[in-house]
Amino acid sequence: DGGITQSPKYLFRKEGQNVTLSCEQNLNHDAMYWYRQDPGQGLRLIYYSQIVNDFQKGDIAEGYSVSREKKESFPLTVTSAQKNPTAFYLCASSQGIKNIQYFGAGTRLSVL
Amino acid sequence: GQQLNQSPQSMFIQEGEDVSMNCTSSSIFNTWLWYKQDPGEGPVLLIALYKAGELTSNGRLTAQFGITRKDSFLNISASIPSDVGIYFCAGQLPEGTYKYIFGTGTRLKVLA
Repeated sequence: DGGITQSPKYLFRKEGQNVTLSCEQNLNHDAMYWYRQDPGQGLRLIYYSQIVNDFQKGDIAEGYSVSREKKESFPLTVTSAQKNPTAFYLCASSQGIKNIQYFGAGTRLSVL
Repeated sequence: GQQLNQSPQSMFIQEGEDVSMNCTSSSIFNTWLWYKQDPGEGPVLLIALYKAGELTSNGRLTAQFGITRKDSFLNISASIPSDVGIYFCAGQLPEGTYKYIFGTGTRLKVLA
């Protein structure tokens, strides 16, 4: 089945630790995105990538880093510089001029 | 930054009732999307709207792209218990093909 796979479903981070969230898509989409979701707020864009080996900062990129070495993969690293990392993280992908975004099932990150 | 005002924030309705929710903004959008999100899962696309005045249905769901391009409405007819969840709107900004602004969500609870 075509879709977007995020892993792990749940992740715990110790203080000072970097953690990486995985996002893989087999939809052959060019563009991929990372969003952060906090209770009572809309999704906020962290990073997006329109093409392999290129990515741009979104509205809340500080404390996060990404790479796009393969079309199907767009991992997100939450660094120790992100002081409030507890949130639900969503990966999405899109294709074409309409740019309809399709989402993965999410990763919930908590701090120990 | 741009904001989408989504209302109501939450609603409790009886099974079989019709539901209406809307999103408004001071910004103009090229595309409107409506998603449903179940607890702990990623948003699932319900309806996409591409031009002002467009009215589109998906089963019991009907959505409209406002004439001013600054608002959109979602109606659910004859609600059933599985309609429970959070409904999000998202608007695509004209100046950023890859950028969507998300509403804060409407939490729907259906009483059997």
